Amino acid sequence: QQPVQSPQAVILREGEDAVINCSSSKALYSVHWYRQKHGEAPVFLMILLKGGEQKGHDKISASFNEKKQQSSLYLTASQLSYSGTYFCGTEPDNTDKLIFGTGTRLQVFP
Amino acid sequence: NAGVTQTPKFRVLKTGQSMTLLCAQDMNHEYMYWYRQDPGMGLRLIHYSVGEGTTAKGEVPDGYNVSRLKKQNFLLGLESAAPSQTSVYFCASRGLNYNSPLHFGNGTRLTVT
Repeated sequence: QQPVQSPQAVILREGEDAVINCSSSKALYSVHWYRQKHGEAPVFLMILLKGGEQKGHDKISASFNEKKQQSSLYLTASQLSYSGTYFCGTEPDNTDKLIFGTGTRLQVFP
Repeated sequence: NAGVTQTPKFRVLKTGQSMTLLCAQDMNHEYMYWYRQDPGMGLRLIHYSVGEGTTAKGEVPDGYNVSRLKKQNFLLGLESAAPSQTSVYFCASRGLNYNSPLHFGNGTRLTVT
């Protein structure tokens, strides 16, 4: 039931863009995105709700296609601070569970 | 404002010993969750609660029990620890609003020898 994230790892130079995908086998009510630095707790980035929407703040944005049960996270003009592991969390319809993917490790180098 | 507090931060157990992990939140959140994190496996849901006095199984509940006697506290118990339960455990909470994000505690690193 864990959503599938791709790619598993990304290496970027500062200023480059990246896309992280999240795909679920279940009908979804919402998708969450979090970033985790090594040795720390995950930190919230954004939530997308059923209804198919796109959200963004600064240079990080995301989309949610409820028909395809997929979400994508877009990081543009990456900064060193973007390094970390990104997790999508999916909330299937009619449940209160939040199920996380296995993560995408993003490394940004100068 | 402390947010979500987990105790203890670290613990070493021998196989067969029992222990309880405590999660406390001061945001009056209805929902609380326990996850375990292992390398390459992401965050896996153990148990969760949608309100005081309620608990439900997550994706990997075997070997764990939980209780939510008070709204602010969510306890995770290991009755007979096994080496396979060596992991980092995260507690999280969120409010009823559909836009509510998860607020995570700082984690408990548990080693079972």
